[in-house]
Amino acid sequence: QEQLQESGPGLVKPSQTLSLTCTVSGGSITSGDYYWSWIRQPPGKGLEWIGYIHYSGSTYYNPSLKSRVTISIDTSENQFSLKLSSVTAADTAVYFCARDSPGYYYYGMDVWGQGTTVTVSS
Amino acid sequence: SSELTQDPAVSVALGQTVRITCQGDSLRTYYANWYQQKPGQAPILLIYGKNKRPSGIPDRFSGSRSGNAASLTITGAQAEDEADYYCNSRDSSGNRGFGGGTKLTVL
Repeated sequence: QEQLQESGPGLVKPSQTLSLTCTVSGGSITSGDYYWSWIRQPPGKGLEWIGYIHYSGSTYYNPSLKSRVTISIDTSENQFSLKLSSVTAADTAVYFCARDSPGYYYYGMDVWGQGTTVTVSS
Repeated sequence: SSELTQDPAVSVALGQTVRITCQGDSLRTYYANWYQQKPGQAPILLIYGKNKRPSGIPDRFSGSRSGNAASLTITGAQAEDEADYYCNSRDSSGNRGFGGGTKLTVL
């Protein structure tokens, strides 16, 4: 059974770039034709999808965040990463990575990391 | 659009049946997937596709769809079912979206 683990700084200063990595264990990031997504959850609020990447390198971002988001993948390390630029306090959230399903019918995100809290503050 | 709407809160008496709904234009074409999230934990996939349950999910959880709405039904709610529930789907562009979440209270 695959497991995902987020890592990265818990505190980021306003206007800087948030950088997180998700490490996949128990399976290969290139198997199964999955997408690999980032999702966030501000304190006391709901889930917001940020974007996904395929092991081929193709990406798709939430239009509301697209101008500030970059998701990349390192298949040799079995990791994928998130960069969010020009952060403000509104980007303070728990950030999750998840395995996302491919295909037309879309069967959701079946494996999630435990989440990592990122606070934007000077 | 991947915008999905849920009622903010629902309550159910212990052992009774409750339905949590999700509305959105994308649901006319694509399935809703459902997640359970307890405080301080990551979401868990409960229902995906046409009423399918991942291994380990109790059969008291079921899903359905009609028109632009989808429902998660819990038949015989247990105390441990008290949690936040989120629907999720995609749109024609490939965007993923989540509903705002429904807080379920088991009385």
